[in-house]
Amino acid sequence: EDQVTQSPEALRLQEGESSSLNCSYTVSGLRGLFWYRQDPGKGPEFLFTLYSAGEEKEKERLKATLTKKESFLHITAPKPEDSATYLCAVRTSGGYQKVTFGTGTKLQVIP
Amino acid sequence: SQTIHQWPATLVQPVGSPLSLECTVEGTSNPNLYWYRQAAGRGLQLLFYSVGIGQISSEVPQNLSASRPQDRQFILSSKKLLLSDSGFYLCAWSVADFYEQYFGPGTRLTVT
Repeated sequence: EDQVTQSPEALRLQEGESSSLNCSYTVSGLRGLFWYRQDPGKGPEFLFTLYSAGEEKEKERLKATLTKKESFLHITAPKPEDSATYLCAVRTSGGYQKVTFGTGTKLQVIP
Repeated sequence: SQTIHQWPATLVQPVGSPLSLECTVEGTSNPNLYWYRQAAGRGLQLLFYSVGIGQISSEVPQNLSASRPQDRQFILSSKKLLLSDSGFYLCAWSVADFYEQYFGPGTRLTVT
C-alpha cells in the first residue's frame, strides 16, 4: 500500500529562520510528487511537481527537492505570510494511477 | 485562465436529510474532476473521480454518490446524511489523469 508521511506535524519559526519540511514516501512506481499550500478554511493551492530524483523547483522563498525516498520543501528566510499547512502528495503507477496525500505540516512563522 | 467554483461554502444539515454540492470549472475543456473529503488531522480522502461526462469512479463505498451531467460540472449527492459525513469537501480538476490538481475553495458540511 502506498504511504506518504510528512514531518514534522507542526513547525514554529521566527521570521527569517530558514528550515525544511520532509515528505517521505513508500510507493510502487513514482509518477510524480506534488507540493501544495493550504490556508485555513481554503482549498489547497498547487506549488510544485517533481518527477525524478535530483530534480529541484523554486518559487520565491520555497525550494522543493526530490530523492528516491523523500522530498524536502526548503523555506528560506520565511515571512509571516508563509504560515500555512503544506501538503505533499504522490502519484503512482498503480492500477488507477491515484494520488496519495500526506497529512501535512502546519507552519507558523512568528514576526 | 481556469477557475473552479464550489457552492455552497458552508452547509449545516440534519441527519437523514439530502445533500447536493456543486462544482463547476471554467476555462478548460474535458477536465478530469475529483471529489475529496478532508477531516481534521487526516489526509485528503478521494471520494470520486471522473474522466468524462457520465463516467464516475468511486474510491470509497459510502452513502454518497457523484454525477457529471455536463463536461465541466460535477455534483456530489446523498439521499440521507449521516453524522460521519461531516467534513470539508473539496472539488479539484486536472488536465490529465491524476496529474497536478487544482482545487476549489471547498464546502464545510456539518451534519447535526
